[in-house]
Amino acid sequence: SQTIHQWPATLVQPVGSPLSLECTVEGTSNPNLYWYRQAAGRGLQLLFYSVGIGQISSEVPQNLSASRPQDRQFILSSKKLLLSDSGFYLCAWSGQDYEQYFGPGTRLTVT
Amino acid sequence: QKEVEQNSGPLSVPEGAIASLNCTYSDRVSQSFFWYRQYSGKSPELIMSIYSNGDKEDGRFTAQLNKASQYVSLLIRDSQPSDSATYLCAVKGNTPLVFGKGTRLSVIA
Repeated sequence: SQTIHQWPATLVQPVGSPLSLECTVEGTSNPNLYWYRQAAGRGLQLLFYSVGIGQISSEVPQNLSASRPQDRQFILSSKKLLLSDSGFYLCAWSGQDYEQYFGPGTRLTVT
Repeated sequence: QKEVEQNSGPLSVPEGAIASLNCTYSDRVSQSFFWYRQYSGKSPELIMSIYSNGDKEDGRFTAQLNKASQYVSLLIRDSQPSDSATYLCAVKGNTPLVFGKGTRLSVIA
């Protein structure tokens, strides 16, 4: 069966500091991978998605970036965090049927 | 702008009743439709998918799709307090999934 991991689970970072969130998927090959952000009391905002190694599509221009160095690894990064970057960051994967399965999430607080 | 609209709620139903959650979407080429349940502080969990007009049943859950009306719904029979959560509707057309903002369901014991 497939499993998706995210770490860390929670993170408190000062404004201006860098960020690196990692997501890995087990039990499947060539998944589509997604990064979402969910701000407090708000809907899911798609940030990036990837259909293959090195292929990244950005949905929202901002100070975040994503990379996919391996088939089942997806990384979300920032060089300098803003207060508005606080939120619940979710990684998801899907197969060709587009059913998305979410990881446990990382709760980021920028102070 | 492709949109998915849901009533934010809260929708309150007594234990044992049927909860009815509704969703409308704007993209006529949408082909795949999904319902997710999200407990407070947790990540969304896929509970139903539906691809054809009509009803699809899975246990206490029934998804209903009407592409002509651009409408999808989720019925929860015999609602339990453990069903209290936010339910997200998601729609797939020619772009990645578009999610609604969710309906908060509260089942009162």
